[in-house]
Amino acid sequence: AQSVTQLGSHVSVSEGALVLLRCNYSSSVPPYLFWYVQYPNQGLQLLLKYTSAATLVKGINGFEAEFKKSETSFHLTKPSAHMSDAAEYFCAVTKSNDYKLSFGAGTTVTVRA
Amino acid sequence: DAGVTQSPTHLIKTRGQQVTLRCSPKSGHDTVSWYQQALGQGPQFIFQYYEEEERQRGNFPDRFSGHQFPNYSSELNVNALLLGDSALYLCASSLQGTNTEAFFGQGTRLTVV
Repeated sequence: AQSVTQLGSHVSVSEGALVLLRCNYSSSVPPYLFWYVQYPNQGLQLLLKYTSAATLVKGINGFEAEFKKSETSFHLTKPSAHMSDAAEYFCAVTKSNDYKLSFGAGTTVTVRA
Repeated sequence: DAGVTQSPTHLIKTRGQQVTLRCSPKSGHDTVSWYQQALGQGPQFIFQYYEEEERQRGNFPDRFSGHQFPNYSSELNVNALLLGDSALYLCASSLQGTNTEAFFGQGTRLTVV
């Protein structure tokens, strides 16, 4: 079975500061990993994905994530936070021949002016 | 190009009642997956429909059932509603079940009273 653990249910950053959201996965086979963002009262929007190509993945809105197999991690970063980054972020995992995404519990990001 | 559309957006039902939620996939997609997102939690996979058949199911009771129509749209039915069924129900569409390109709808907020 695959699963993800998101460390920290809430993260507060100042505008312009680094955003770092942590995700660790467990998978018996090479995983596909994703980060999604959810704004209040909305569905999920894909930020970026890792599908066994480059280990450093760049996504939308200036976010990027690095797949580290030795650490079983896929942490999400953004160099400079913007007020519009305030949202909930979910890490998810799946594998080839699996039709479901398994999500973490989410991390809520607040951005202080 | 319309994305994934879900209806209704909000719904209030009484315990014991039955509910039907609807989803139209993104143009060109043939697969629909349903997820339940309880307040403060990550989405949980309910099931996936492809070629009008349930292809994979998560850990949900038989009270949860679905259907996919020839035009690829889908319905989620929940019978004998419980208070614990209150959640945001998300629909995701993809092509042939490939989760690497899943698009989510805005969701249906179900409240059971």
